[in-house]
Parts: sequence; C-alpha cells; structure tokens
Amino acid sequence: ETGVTQTPRHLVMGMTNKKSLKCEQHLGHNAMYWYKQSAKKPLELMFVYNFKEQTENNSVPSRFSPECPNSSHLFLHLHTLQPEDSALYLCASSQDADRGGNEQYFGPGTRLTVT
Amino acid sequence: RKEVEQDPGPFNVPEGATVAFNCTYSNSASQSFFWYRQDCRKEPKLLMSVYSSGNEDGRFTAQLNRASQYISLLIRDSKLSDSATYLCVVNNPSGSARQLTFGSGTQLTVLP
Repeated sequence: ETGVTQTPRHLVMGMTNKKSLKCEQHLGHNAMYWYKQSAKKPLELMFVYNFKEQTENNSVPSRFSPECPNSSHLFLHLHTLQPEDSALYLCASSQDADRGGNEQYFGPGTRLTVT
Repeated sequence: RKEVEQDPGPFNVPEGATVAFNCTYSNSASQSFFWYRQDCRKEPKLLMSVYSSGNEDGRFTAQLNRASQYISLLIRDSKLSDSATYLCVVNNPSGSARQLTFGSGTQLTVLP
C-alpha cells in the first residue's frame, strides 16, 4: 500500500546527532499526525496538523520539532535525543482533524534507536 | 482509570473458533469508536468503525454500549491470518475531535 509512506524505515542515531523523519500521504487528506509507540505501551499522540496548521502538541519535548510544509508532507526533526526516545514513530493522516469520526490511516513507521 | 482499557490477553484460540474482545472507555462524551488491528512490527490498520446500532463486516461484528461505556468486537470462524493485536480506539472530546485515544491492545493468536 502506498497511501501513507514514511522514510527512513529504520534509523539508528547517537544522542548528539540531528536527523529528520519524513512522511508523505497520497490520500488527499488535510490532517496529519505524529505518534510514538514504545514497547508494551499504547500509541501516544505527539502532534497534529490540520490544513498545515499545528493544532495539537501533546507536551512533547522540544528535542522533537515537527514541520508541515503542505497538507501532503510532514517531517519530524530530531536532535539531542535520549535513549528512552527509542520507539516506533508512526505518521497518520485523516480527511479533516476537526471532524469527529474520521478514520486515520497510518504509515509503516520509522523504528528509531537512540544509542 | 485508564481512558481506554482492554484485556491484554493473549487470547489463544483454535482455527474456526469465535472470539470476543471487550473494551471500556472512561469519557461518556466520546462520540467516535474504532477497532484497528496491528500485526507484529507493523503499523495499525483500520479494521472497522463502530456505530451506535452495531455493525458487521463479514466475520467481524462490532457493538457499542453507551450506557455501560464499552465496545466489543466479535470474530467468527477465526482464521490463522486473524492473529494480530486488536486496538480499541476512542475519540477524546475533552480536547477536540482531533485526538484519538488508543487502548494498549488485545493480542490474539489463532492456532492451527
């Protein structure tokens, strides 16, 4: 499936590195999301963009910096991460974040390891 | 109380069995409900939305009980390919329609 794509699929980075995760959706949606999924924990919402505007920031540390240049693309810039930030980072999109009941579709995720 | 609570399982059932999962949610104002499935090391995929009147999609039936604040998923005639983690998802209206809250998931293994 190519509805929502993410790159890279795997990333290993040191605590002093700077890297970026990329997400692209081909579904014509207007809302995009970043989630974190750690082992044995439920998905945690990080950021929400609706029509390119950031509408939610769930108390995410500033070492994670999102960017949404248009409705189809979403980035997550990473710097000075900690080992506990190692997780699966999932991007999702939906038609419109303000509409209740609209389903979200996920990309395959980036498995991040911070050493 | 967790916002969305699921029995983590694991549920190990033989092929052809019927299995049911329940999920409870804490916010009575929640309006949207979904079941997602997540295969090992893969992303969650939407299985079905849950409507007030209940809905069915092939072997899968979802029910919503607003009075008791629980959602159920019934899988009939289990297949090996049904093995996955099933996530109960509820919208969080206290913030906005933008937030979905995911349960921790119920693990299902269908055995040959």
